[in-house]
Amino acid sequence: EADIYQTPRYLVIGTGKKITLECSQTMGHDKMYWYQQDPGMELHLIHYSYGVNSTEKGDLSSESTVSRIRTEHFPLTLESARPSHTSQYLCASSRRQGNQETQYFGPGTRLLVL
Amino acid sequence: AQSVTQPDIHITVSEGASLELRCNYSYGATPYLFWYVQSPGQGLQLLLKYFSGDTLVQGIKGFEAEFKRSQSSFNLRKPSVHWSDAAEYFCAVGGIQGAQKLVFGQGTRLTINP
Repeated sequence: EADIYQTPRYLVIGTGKKITLECSQTMGHDKMYWYQQDPGMELHLIHYSYGVNSTEKGDLSSESTVSRIRTEHFPLTLESARPSHTSQYLCASSRRQGNQETQYFGPGTRLLVL
Repeated sequence: AQSVTQPDIHITVSEGASLELRCNYSYGATPYLFWYVQSPGQGLQLLLKYFSGDTLVQGIKGFEAEFKRSQSSFNLRKPSVHWSDAAEYFCAVGGIQGAQKLVFGQGTRLTINP
């Protein structure tokens, strides 16, 4: 399995603050993803990346932005946090091998915006 | 558009009883199918996956799933559940083109009675 790390695990922050959620993986996976998950709900893809300098928006519109300067690192930034951003954010990575590709997930960051 | 339906929001079974969690999908091409498990406050752990070949796939923790193309289903089964199986279970479908944009079901919360 992939080793994927997310920091912080929990974050409580006030409205208007800028925050960056960190995600890193040590498996050399070229693709990385950010999902948003509200309590008791399914995951929705908000950003993904094919590789370095590649970022795309996912199916769920998000005010967050991402960057991919290094293969192993895929941070997500909110310029001005709002209570509506309160959610859990899950990072994942994958690499295609033949006709198989599996996403492996990090532990998630629970964000509470007051 | 692809979609995943998990008809059962919450299931309660007794420890030692058998388990089946239902998953139906809609996907325009050959689907890649996954089951993930999420313990409270944690990320997603891969239980098993189907890409091709044998339609009955074995996973970790004694779980198995059967792909039935005619029914567009990928139900998860376990012959005898343990109290540690209590968690949220997510079915997901994805493809092989480009980035693997997984679509998740709403999840099924499993409670185990002692």
